[in-house]
Formats: sequence, C-alpha cells, structure tokens
Amino acid sequence: GAVVSQHPSWVICKSGTSVKIECRSLDFQATTMFWYRQFPKQSLMLMATSNEGSKATYEQGVEKDKFLINHASLTLSTLTVTSAHPEDSSFYICSATHRGRLNTEAFFGQGTRLTVV
Amino acid sequence: AQKVTQAQTEISVVEKEDVTLDCVYETRDTTYYLFWYKQPPSGELVFLIRRNSFDEQNEISGRYSWNFQKSTSSFNFTITASQVVDSAVYFCALSGLNAGGTSYGKLTFGQGTILTVHP
Repeated sequence: GAVVSQHPSWVICKSGTSVKIECRSLDFQATTMFWYRQFPKQSLMLMATSNEGSKATYEQGVEKDKFLINHASLTLSTLTVTSAHPEDSSFYICSATHRGRLNTEAFFGQGTRLTVV
Repeated sequence: AQKVTQAQTEISVVEKEDVTLDCVYETRDTTYYLFWYKQPPSGELVFLIRRNSFDEQNEISGRYSWNFQKSTSSFNFTITASQVVDSAVYFCALSGLNAGGTSYGKLTFGQGTILTVHP
C-alpha cells in the first residue's frame, strides 16, 4: 500500500507553454502533498506544501504565480508550470503523507522530468 | 532552521568493499525524524530507513546498517560488501514533527552522495 503515482514521467515542451504534472495517491487519502524540485546533480528542494481544499504554502523564492498548485481532492494534487522557460527544466517530484496513519514517512512519486526547449 | 550536511560528494569503491556515507544534521526541534533514501539513475526515491530521534539504537537490515549518534548529530549509513547495484545517489533527510507528534513529511535533504561501485 501507500503508492504515489506521478504523471507524466517525462515531458518536453516548448518555451512559453504551460505544463501540468499530476500527483495521485492511489491507495490512500493524502492529508498533505509536497512538491520538490531537483536540478541536475543537486539536492531536492521543497517548492510548496499543499493541503486538500486550501491554498498551497510556497517556500521562499518560489513564484506562486508561475508554479500553480491545485489540491482539489484527498488523492490528487497538480503542479502547473506556466509559461515555462528552459531554466524551469528540472526533475519535479511529489510526496504525500498518509491521512490516518501515524508516525509514517512521506511517500514519493516516481518524479517527472521536464525539459523546456 | 533545519540543515542536513553530507560532506562526501562522491565515493568510489570496488565491489565487496564496505562503505560509510556520512550525514550530520542541525535542528532546534527536540523531536524529529531522520531518513535515508536511495536515488538510482531512473530518478525515483527509494525509502531505506526512518529513525525517530528518541530511538538511538543502531539498526541493521541485510547489508545495510545505520549508526545514529544524537550527541554528535550524526546519522551515518554503512553498506557492507558493496555491490554494483548499490551505485546510486544517497540522500539523508530530516523532518520535524507536527502538532500531533507524527512525521510532518516536509523533508530537508542533504546534498546527496554519489556512490559508484566498480566491479
């Protein structure tokens, strides 16, 4: 149990277009979902925290108007990169915490590799 | 603020050697969780271990072992008899606890250590 699925696994888009990445908890309800970004050969940096039905909380330096997060249900959060530019090319990975399960780790999706050309 | 430091950027060993990956952390929280993840070239994060700050017992799982030293704020990871399949990036991470006392899930990652095991 506790599977998190991200879609797509990879995407190539043209500069100026928008890209939506989905993060789904397949077999549990996720209280909170987290979005991380990882540039090549670097660590994972938290971008934002999203709770179902409320606005996401963005980390300092992350543009909320550029990285739109929607957490409409307990099993789905989406990250939309608007007006993507080559510098947005990165590996985006989500994680989710399990509602109702105490003392547990966050479960990670498999990640989405975004390339903006 | 929380901080995790993995001083070893890259480690290269020959198969069957033992290797230890270092992790030092900083936090003002009195209770917290520590994690190790493996990231193979495909990119997904593979969960290896979670350790509660109250539990300082070392843990062994097959060829993997972890040494938690609260006094030195370290949580080191040792692979015994390394194998080529162990080649990956390894991340140490830290999480505080929410008001309910459960792992918050918001992780602070170290810089990662690239481990290469040669045949």
